[in-house]
Amino acid sequence: EAQVTQNPRYLITVTGKKLTVTCSQNMNHEYMSWYRQDPGLGLRQIYYSMNVEVTDKGDVPEGYKVSRKEKRNFPLILESPSPNQTSLYFCASGRNDRVSSPLHFGNGTRLTVT
Amino acid sequence: TQLLEQSPQFLSIQEGENLTVYCNSSSVFSSLQWYRQEPGEGPVLLVTVVTGGEVKKLKRLTFQFGDARKDSSLHITAAQPGDTGLYLCAGARYGGATNKLIFGTGTLLAVQP
Repeated sequence: EAQVTQNPRYLITVTGKKLTVTCSQNMNHEYMSWYRQDPGLGLRQIYYSMNVEVTDKGDVPEGYKVSRKEKRNFPLILESPSPNQTSLYFCASGRNDRVSSPLHFGNGTRLTVT
Repeated sequence: TQLLEQSPQFLSIQEGENLTVYCNSSSVFSSLQWYRQEPGEGPVLLVTVVTGGEVKKLKRLTFQFGDARKDSSLHITAAQPGDTGLYLCAGARYGGATNKLIFGTGTLLAVQP
C-alpha cells in the first residue's frame, strides 16, 4: 500500500531535549515536505526537499533541521525544542514539486514540549 | 506571509442540509486545491482547479474557482455524517510548484445524523 509513515504519532518532551521525527514514503517520490498545523493558522511549511541531498527552507524553518540522505526518508530534527514548537506535524510527499502531482500526507505527529 | 482565509471556521449542520465553505485571498493563485482531513489523519486531496471560473463536481461536492483566481468555494449538497472533517483550501502562489502552496485556515464541519 502506498503510504507516508511518520513516527512517533505522539511525543511529549521537555524544553531543550533533542528529538527526531521520522518520515518514510514507499512511492519513490522525489518531493517531500514538512508542515506544522496550528489552530487558526492552517498548515505552514517548515522545510521541503526536491530530491536526495536537496533541501530548502519553507515559511517557518526556525528551530528545525532536516536531512535527505535517501530518497524514501526525510527526518525532522528539533535540536533544542521549545514550547512554541508544540504542534501537530505532517510529512508529505509528491512525485515531483508540481501542483499537478498530488501531495500524500502522513497521519501526523502530535508534539508537546513542556 | 499571505493567508487564505476560510469561512466559516466551524459549521455544525444536520444530515441532509446544504452548505457552502469559502476560501478568500487578496492574492492571485495559479491553481487552488481542496483537501479534507479526518480526525487522526493527514489531509487528502479532493480536487484541483486551475482556470478562473472553473467548476468541478465530485459526487455531492461542487468546487468553484473565482473568475479572478483569488477565491474559491466548496458547496456540499445533502450533507452526510461521512462528510464530517476539516476542509482546507490551498493555493499555488505562482509557477504551479507544490513548494509554493499556501494553505487556508480551515473549516471544521460536523454533520449530525
